[in-house]
Amino acid sequence: NAGVTQTPKFRVLKTGQSMTLLCAQDMNHEYMYWYRQDPGMGLRLIHYSVGEGTTAKGEVPDGYNVSRLKKQNFLLGLESAAPSQTSVYFCASSYSGDQETQYFGPGTRLLVL
Amino acid sequence: DAKTTQPNSMESNEEEPVHLPCNHSTISGTDYIHWYRQLPSQGPEYVIHGLTSNVNNRMASLAIAEDRKSSTLILHRATLRDAAVYYCILRTLSYNTDKLIFGTGTRLQVFP
Repeated sequence: NAGVTQTPKFRVLKTGQSMTLLCAQDMNHEYMYWYRQDPGMGLRLIHYSVGEGTTAKGEVPDGYNVSRLKKQNFLLGLESAAPSQTSVYFCASSYSGDQETQYFGPGTRLLVL
Repeated sequence: DAKTTQPNSMESNEEEPVHLPCNHSTISGTDYIHWYRQLPSQGPEYVIHGLTSNVNNRMASLAIAEDRKSSTLILHRATLRDAAVYYCILRTLSYNTDKLIFGTGTRLQVFP
């Protein structure tokens, strides 16, 4: 099993550009999450999904959109990137939401100039 | 959500035990105590969790105070690979809205 994978590993964007981050999991997990981590900070939840076709807002959703068209994939979109979105993005998945362990991907480092 | 308080950093020598404290004085009866750690340049990974009783697994032990207002993660013999940021997180039992809320954690340095 590959676990949770993220694509790309690193990306540089110019302000106003758009991009999509892809998260894939092969553990048949229902729940998936997108977090961001700024330097010296803990992770903050952006959006999450409790199942295919469903998404919900987390703590810091502004400027991001998500889609969960397939159970194994969770996409995070930036429609118009801003320097404040420079961060490391982590995807996670879990079997369910009820106290289940979350398994994290390796992260995507995004730099917005 | 109930909050946790952890020291910013701790140090240990290799092969010595490490006790990482966490205060959670506003914990509710349905809050579980979870620990995750984040190795350098990696995503967080699960370490251990518990509700009331002390817990042991292959990675660590979790000691929970009788009043549940504090807990301690115990690494029995620290290795260089244990150098990481350790997060103590309270998770409330609430269906479909269970989320991890990360603080800034404790950065553990392990010296040879």
